[in-house]
Amino acid sequence: EIVLTQSPGTLSLSPGERATLSCRASQSVSSSYLAWYQKKPGQAPRLLIYGASSRATGIPDRFSGSGSGTDFTLTISRLEPEDFAVYYCQQYGASPLTFGGGTKVEIK
Amino acid sequence: QVQLVQSGAEVKKPGASVKVSCRASGYTFISYYMHWVRQAPGQGLEWMGLIIPNGGDTSYAQKFQGRVTMTRDTSTSTVYMELNSLRSEDTAVYYCARARPFPAWGQGTLVTVSS
Repeated sequence: EIVLTQSPGTLSLSPGERATLSCRASQSVSSSYLAWYQKKPGQAPRLLIYGASSRATGIPDRFSGSGSGTDFTLTISRLEPEDFAVYYCQQYGASPLTFGGGTKVEIK
Repeated sequence: QVQLVQSGAEVKKPGASVKVSCRASGYTFISYYMHWVRQAPGQGLEWMGLIIPNGGDTSYAQKFQGRVTMTRDTSTSTVYMELNSLRSEDTAVYYCARARPFPAWGQGTLVTVSS
């Protein structure tokens, strides 16, 4: 199984700052089948990025994804108040599908 | 628009079974796989498995093999996830999610396992 390791565990930032989240895979992710989700308490996860770098429908362009192989990054260019949440990466190219442990982006 | 509506919260005793439903609308039900993902309190997301609505084939995460059964009813566009031999560690919110990646999710069903 592909293990995804996210770092840092927590990111303390202020609104307007840039957030850079990392996701490292234990082996190469097939065809960049890597997604990012935003999770808020009491809500279902929200797909932000798929295919490592494609924004999902309705996702603001301040969210961007990059990377390939085993190293992937989610960047939020300027944090808005609604962006403070937990972010998960997921690989969906190999079974079992796996998620990273999450990065919490909190208000500094 | 795509909608996935799940059944309501459940409270079960250890050793019991729970069956959660997920009714789909807004798209052709048999055209997309359906997955189940859970999140225990304070924990991350965990993939449980999938069902192929066109035919009913399933694939389960090894952790749940032998304890989980996913089924579907094409007449009502509904998928079901049944988990047996419940233990306290199964207390979680269970989500259905369409296809991969997952652009559409159910609202979640809280299953509480407690004596």
